Parts: sequence; structure tokens; C-alpha cells
Amino acid sequence: EDQVTQSPEALRLQEGESSSLNCSYTVSGLRGLFWYRQDPGKGPEFLFTLYSAGEEKEKERLKATLTKKESFLHITAPKPEDSATYLCAVQAYSGGSNYKLTFGKGTLLTVNP
Amino acid sequence: DTGVSQNPRHKITKRGQNVTFRCDPISEHNRLYWYRQTLGQGPEFLTYFQNEAQLEKSRLLSDRFSAERPKGSFSTLEIQRTEQGDSAMYLCASSPDRWEGYTFGSGTRLTVV
Repeated sequence: EDQVTQSPEALRLQEGESSSLNCSYTVSGLRGLFWYRQDPGKGPEFLFTLYSAGEEKEKERLKATLTKKESFLHITAPKPEDSATYLCAVQAYSGGSNYKLTFGKGTLLTVNP
Repeated sequence: DTGVSQNPRHKITKRGQNVTFRCDPISEHNRLYWYRQTLGQGPEFLTYFQNEAQLEKSRLLSDRFSAERPKGSFSTLEIQRTEQGDSAMYLCASSPDRWEGYTFGSGTRLTVV
């Protein structure tokens, strides 16, 4: 069974204080690893897809990296508007067309001004 | 492209009543997913449609749950004889064929009292 574990559960940063979120996973065959951002009361918003170990992607203050066992979401000089829950999810090869995602519980990030 | 639309946004119902939610995916997206998210958890897969065909259902989807996607356009999720344990955010997502990731709607929050 595919599993995703995110740490820490919650992280509080001062504005400008860089840090990283961790996502460790076990999956039978990784098709892709996804990062989403979720604001309170809203659906997840897509950030990145990573497909193979060594891959990196960046968007503004966020950078996602992938190894064979985990992914990191690095946040550089965060701002209060980066406060949200960050969700990690994996998609396994299933032999069919169902690209279902298995999510972790998320990391609640709070950035104080 | 107006995104994935879900209605209603909030639903409060008494235990034992039936409820129905609607999802309008992004036009031309032939894949449609339903997920359920409870407080402090990541979304969990419920069911998947490719066009009008329901191709996979999670074991989380008991006999009280039914989903349809007539003509491969909008989708409905019905819960019969609601229970307090059904209280959650129900998320819909859609995807085109060429990409494994997908776009989520803002969800329908169900509260069973």
C-alpha cells in the first residue's frame, strides 16, 4: 500500500526565515510526486510535479526536490502570504488510466510578519 | 476556463437525510475524481470517471454512496441515510488525458447533525 508521511506537522517561521518541509514516501512504482498548497476552506492548488530522482522545480520562493525515498519543499525568505497547508501526494503506476493520488496529512506553515 | 466548480459550498443536514453534491469540471477534461478530506487529514480517493464511465471506486465508498457522470460532463455524488461520520469536505478534481496531475474545486463542506 502506498504511504506518504509529511514532517513537521506544523511549522512557524518569521518572515524571511528559510526552511524546508519533508515528504517521505513508499510506493510500488512512482509515476509522479505532487506538491499542492491548500488555504483554509479551499481545495488544493497545484504547485509542482516531480517524476524522477534528482529532479528539481522552482516557483517564486518555492523549490521542490526529489530523491528515491523523499521529497523536500524548500521555502526561501517566506512571506506571510505563504502561510498555508502544504500537501504532498504520490501517484503510482497501476496499469490503468486511474491517476489517483495518495496524500500525506500535510504541513501547516505559518509565517509571521 | 473557469476552473472546477462545486455546489453547494456548504451543506448542513440531519442524520438520516440524503444529500447530493454537484461538480462541473473544466470543459474538455475527460477525467473526473472525487476525494474526501476530514480535518487534519489529506484528501482520500473515493472514485474516478473517465468520460461517463465510473472505472474505480475506493472501499471507502460504502453502499450509501453513489456517483454519476451522465454524458461525461458534470458529476453528482449522492449520500443516502447520512451519518455523522460522513461529515467532511468533498472535493472534486478534473484532468485532461495528457497530464497525470489535476485541478481541484473548492469543495463542498458537509456537516451532519
